[in-house]
Amino acid sequence: SQQGEEDPQALSIQEGENATMNCSYKTSINNLQWYRQNSGRGLVHLILIRSNEREKHSGRLRVTLDTSKKSSSLLITASRAADTASYFCAPVYNTGNQFYFGTGTSLTVIP
Amino acid sequence: KAGVTQTPRYLIKTRGQQVTLSCSPISGHRSVSWYQQTPGQGLQFLFEYFSETQRNKGNFPGRFSGRQFSNSRSEMNVSTLELGDSALYLCASSLDGGASWEKLFFGSGTQLSVL
Repeated sequence: SQQGEEDPQALSIQEGENATMNCSYKTSINNLQWYRQNSGRGLVHLILIRSNEREKHSGRLRVTLDTSKKSSSLLITASRAADTASYFCAPVYNTGNQFYFGTGTSLTVIP
Repeated sequence: KAGVTQTPRYLIKTRGQQVTLSCSPISGHRSVSWYQQTPGQGLQFLFEYFSETQRNKGNFPGRFSGRQFSNSRSEMNVSTLELGDSALYLCASSLDGGASWEKLFFGSGTQLSVL
């Protein structure tokens, strides 16, 4: 399968702590994107990291990409209750405009 | 700028019926993709339309079909509904989805329940 695989499937942390979730993929990518989904709603784009980039920041988000290991990680620092959501990675391959979302990481931030 | 609009928000159908879901992309966006989301399978890609043509297709049976109109609005149709078709159907749009590989903008989805 070309889907991204997020790990862990579920994560529960206290407010103020950092949350780290990982994504693995299969073959060479053009870029990898992270999305967030609040319960029962659509996905919202968070950040895009290109294959020639190793790290990217956006506010409290930090994304890393290791193409040799075919993996990416998303770090949310100083988490808030409002960060409670599911997070999906989507590797975008060079073979076509198709986003291969995984099953996501369900993050719960406890106030 | 208005976001991606999906209608209806909720839908209840019975087995054997057919259903049509609608998606209006962000103004100026020409690529529309459809996804099925279920708790066990995550997001599964259905198909992508660009300039009224299906450009990519996922691994779904022929009961799932779609189309795109000249104004980029898209519809998807599911015929002969089965219980397993119960899911959240998400539509996403992007400018052209071509070599620029830009991000997707999602609608809030249509929650379909098949009884």
